[in-house]
Amino acid sequence: SQQGEEDPQALSIQEGENATMNCSYKTSINNLQWYRQNSGRGLVHLILIRSNEREKHSGRLRVTLDTSKKSSSLLITASRAADTASYFCATDRFGGTSYGKLTFGQGTILTVHP
Amino acid sequence: NAGVTQTPKFQVLKTGQSMTLQCAQDMNHEYMSWYRQDPGMGLRLIHYSVGAGITDQGEVPNGYNVSRSTTEDFPLRLLSAAPSQTSVYFCASSRLRGGETQYFGPGTRLLVL
Repeated sequence: SQQGEEDPQALSIQEGENATMNCSYKTSINNLQWYRQNSGRGLVHLILIRSNEREKHSGRLRVTLDTSKKSSSLLITASRAADTASYFCATDRFGGTSYGKLTFGQGTILTVHP
Repeated sequence: NAGVTQTPKFQVLKTGQSMTLQCAQDMNHEYMSWYRQDPGMGLRLIHYSVGAGITDQGEVPNGYNVSRSTTEDFPLRLLSAAPSQTSVYFCASSRLRGGETQYFGPGTRLLVL
């Protein structure tokens, strides 16, 4: 079964609004990553947060991690039409032999209307 | 650097045919992997490799073979294509350390009739 589950499955907002996507996972992790996928393209890495971090920023992106609740959120502030894409969380499970083996959630489809 | 490249971009197969999806990276990454992505789903790991000569199974390995003879290349072979293998296939690479960013190729769209 999928390690990560995103919520909501789809999100539609207007340009300038903030977009929040959530990810829950089941097992202990080393780190959690967020990726973006534009339609018909490969995935692009956005941000990584380690299990000992609680919040991380990168430009208009803010990621939080709550290991007690096994959840993470991705906030995109002041969204733009170009942010329209699918967003996936991916977890790197805790444990030596699993390094590099990411488990992806089902993704959130974000649509930003001009 | 070209990053991660995949060929072909699109392929149509008949049930029972075999083919090889090519993946190459020029970043000297030890770790390479293959994922499949089906509509409305995330990516599922098929096979992965931590270096030349070393491969292992992921979540959905049945019907696929891999080999890693060089650091740069990691081909995925479909032995006898089935309609259930209709999907988009992504190759990815990274350095072999925990928490490394994975770099993805543009994908191969496969249709099995």
